[in-house]
Amino acid sequence: AQSVTQLGSHVSVSEGALVLLRCNYSSSVPPYLFWYVQYPNQGLQLLLKYTSAATLVKGINGFEAEFKKSETSFHLTKPSAHMSDAAEYFCAVTEGGAQKLVFGQGTRLTINP
Amino acid sequence: DAGVIQSPRHEVTEMGQEVTLRCKLISGHNSLFWYRQTMMRGLELLIYFNNNVPIDDSGMPEDRFSAKMPNASFSTLKIQPSEPRDSAVYFCASTVSTDTQYFGPGTRLTVL
Repeated sequence: AQSVTQLGSHVSVSEGALVLLRCNYSSSVPPYLFWYVQYPNQGLQLLLKYTSAATLVKGINGFEAEFKKSETSFHLTKPSAHMSDAAEYFCAVTEGGAQKLVFGQGTRLTINP
Repeated sequence: DAGVIQSPRHEVTEMGQEVTLRCKLISGHNSLFWYRQTMMRGLELLIYFNNNVPIDDSGMPEDRFSAKMPNASFSTLKIQPSEPRDSAVYFCASTVSTDTQYFGPGTRLTVL
């Protein structure tokens, strides 16, 4: 069965600094991988997804993630943090074209002025 | 175009009462997912439907929970009787086939 581990339940960076949110997955078949963002009192919004095409995936709001099969990782990065990036971020995996998403525990990103 | 619509947004009820949460899919979507989010357990998939048919209900906690899709665009999640441990935010999401899941704003349920 697939699973997702997000390293660090809380990450804090300064405005303008690099954002790095870590995600490692476990899957017995080629995975599809997703990053979602959740702002306070809202539902989840897709940031980006990997579905076996290019390993470097660009998403909305300047975020990108790189699929590394050898490391079973799909870390999320943004070169320069903005105050509006403060939110909770979830990594999720599904096996190939299956529909069932398995989410990580989430990482709360705080941006310091 | 309207996104996934959930109602009510907030529900406060007393233990033992029946609770019904509602979800309207995005037009043209054919798959519907119900999730529960709590601090302790994070985001859990409860059940999902394809073309109105329940495909996987292994995440439904117990018989007190039931979900239906009376038509292609609408779903309900019912808890009867409700218990304090059911307090959580319940999300539904819809999609077309295996594409991106689009989430609703959630229903925050508090059972006293």
